[in-house]
Amino acid sequence: QMQLQESGPGLVKPSETLSLTCTVSGGSISSYYWTWIRQPPGKGLEWIGYISNIENANYNPSLQSRVSISLDTSTNQFSLTLNSVTPADTAVYYCARSTSWYQNAFALWGQGTLVTVSS
Amino acid sequence: EIVLTQSPGTLSLSPGERATLSCRASQSITSGYFAWYQQKPGQAPRLLIYAASSRATGIPDRFSGSGSGTDFTLTISRLEPEDFAVYYCQQYGSSPFTFGPGTKVDIK
Repeated sequence: QMQLQESGPGLVKPSETLSLTCTVSGGSISSYYWTWIRQPPGKGLEWIGYISNIENANYNPSLQSRVSISLDTSTNQFSLTLNSVTPADTAVYYCARSTSWYQNAFALWGQGTLVTVSS
Repeated sequence: EIVLTQSPGTLSLSPGERATLSCRASQSITSGYFAWYQQKPGQAPRLLIYAASSRATGIPDRFSGSGSGTDFTLTISRLEPEDFAVYYCQQYGSSPFTFGPGTKVDIK
């Protein structure tokens, strides 16, 4: 049974870089699309971007200048980097996996990790 | 960017009743790449429906999805106590992928 688990700092200072990792267990990362989504406290869901198994990435234009997603097949992990953060980036960050290689609905989610941007 | 509008914002129903949730897109959704998710407090969203009408693995058949183009519907045939939650629609046919603002189904 595949599972996803986010990890990374829970507190980041303004103007610094947010870095999170999603560890995939119980299956290979060498298929599917791998996505990051965030949810500010008490608000709705925002798609950040995805990376495919062939490392083709696609980002939300609202974040594109600050975001990068990478894949590491040797460790079965994928990562999110968000530069120049502000308090508006405070959110629960989720990693997720697509339903299949041709259906990019989010079938499997990590539990989420809260990242607070504050000095 | 495709904007999704969900209605109603809140739906107050009793267990055993039928729930009908709507989602309208600002543009036609490519190839029916449309999904519904359920989220309970403190939990990650759970995929219910993908490809507009296909139930995800393990989802009870009281959940059904329909629609095409710009209008989509999630129906819960008979509400169980565990179904009271927030429901989000989402399109993944055009980048950026977008979510609706959610419909809260609460107990009347």
